[in-house]
Amino acid sequence: GDSVTQMEGPVTLSEEAFLTINCTYTATGYPSLFWYVQYPGEGLQLLLKATKADDKGSNKGFEATYRKETTSFHLEKGSVQVSDSAVYFCALTDSGNTPLVFGKGTRLSVIA
Amino acid sequence: GAVVSQHPSWVICKSGTSVKIECRSLDFQATTMFWYRQFPKQSLMLMATSNEGSKATYEQGVEKDKFLINHASLTLSTLTVTSAHPEDSSFYICSAAGSANTGELFFGEGSRLTVL
Repeated sequence: GDSVTQMEGPVTLSEEAFLTINCTYTATGYPSLFWYVQYPGEGLQLLLKATKADDKGSNKGFEATYRKETTSFHLEKGSVQVSDSAVYFCALTDSGNTPLVFGKGTRLSVIA
Repeated sequence: GAVVSQHPSWVICKSGTSVKIECRSLDFQATTMFWYRQFPKQSLMLMATSNEGSKATYEQGVEKDKFLINHASLTLSTLTVTSAHPEDSSFYICSAAGSANTGELFFGEGSRLTVL
């Protein structure tokens, strides 16, 4: 079945550092890929998405490119802020009405 | 974007009682809703898929008599934890598929259940 593998956390960075959270996937078809973020005590929010190969999703300074050849969707941000501290989930789905398959999540802590 | 609202956000109950959690899509119709459970510092585990007007489809290992799911309308799905026990304490999150069929899911805020 489909699966998502994320780098294990926690990740601790200083403010303004560069962030990369690796995500690779296994899927039978051509899935849509997502990054969700969960701030402390809150539910999940969509951060960005990409629906086909070579698409780049971006939002709030975060970016991820759908790489079919490496089955990857790594999350990057050039300069993190303390407010980016959260848990980040990579996810995929094969179609619109099927449930998302989530990675285990990566906790990011940014210190001033 | 589309809004999904869950209620209650927090609930504390005694062991043996039942608790109902509501999930509403506020500005769109959701023919399909999903219920997830999240253990502390872990990922989301899909519990069941809820389709409007039909019985929910439960994932392997999820007790359907324990976690009753009803999806009576296009904007409301409910999860009832029956005869709750401390091991049922968890964060329950619902999500709904957006009408654009893009694969994106919209999530509720989550409901934290604590069973004493």
